[in-house]
Amino acid sequence: AQKVTQAQTEISVVEKEDVTLDCVYETRDTTYYLFWYKQPPSGELVFLIRRNSFDEQNEISGRYSWNFQKSTSSFNFTITASQVVDSAVYFCALSGRSDYKLSFGAGTTVTVRA
Amino acid sequence: AAGVIQSPRHLIKEKRETATLKCYPIPRHDTVYWYQQGPGQDPQFLISFYEKMQSDKGSIPDRFSAQQFSDYHSELNMSSLELGDSALYFCASSLGSVWGRKLFFGSGTQLSVL
Repeated sequence: AQKVTQAQTEISVVEKEDVTLDCVYETRDTTYYLFWYKQPPSGELVFLIRRNSFDEQNEISGRYSWNFQKSTSSFNFTITASQVVDSAVYFCALSGRSDYKLSFGAGTTVTVRA
Repeated sequence: AAGVIQSPRHLIKEKRETATLKCYPIPRHDTVYWYQQGPGQDPQFLISFYEKMQSDKGSIPDRFSAQQFSDYHSELNMSSLELGDSALYFCASSLGSVWGRKLFFGSGTQLSVL
């Protein structure tokens, strides 16, 4: 069984602050993919990043960066210099080799105040 | 670029009525997924289709059925609606059903059952 835990329910920051979202996962698969999706107030789910379990190299893409640590089963996501438009619910998700479907965490609501 | 199109955007039904949700995947995408997101909850996988055949099944009630047509669009049919069916229903598509594919989501259909 797959499980994704996002312990932070809500985070509120002031514009230009950095925001780090925590994600911890459980899976019996040795091969899997991890994702982050964003759901703005308009409701659609927007793909942000994907990382496979063999690639622990952490990267930066614009204002987004992620920290994948297989040893602690964590896949944290950071927004640098947050903006009001970053206000949304952010979902961490997992797709395992034995269970293709995407399993989502409960989501973290990020509110960025001007 | 064309995205996943869902219709209608909003639907209001009464208990015991039926509803049909439609999903038009991104052109050339052959795999469609349906997710249900209750208020304040994470999306839950319902069912998926690859090349017009059901490829995976999640927590979809027996009152619901779905299919994928020859043009790859999909319809989710919901009968004997209950109050608890009120949710945001997402459709997503991908190119191929290979594990780890990025899913592109539509804007969702907000179903309200009164």
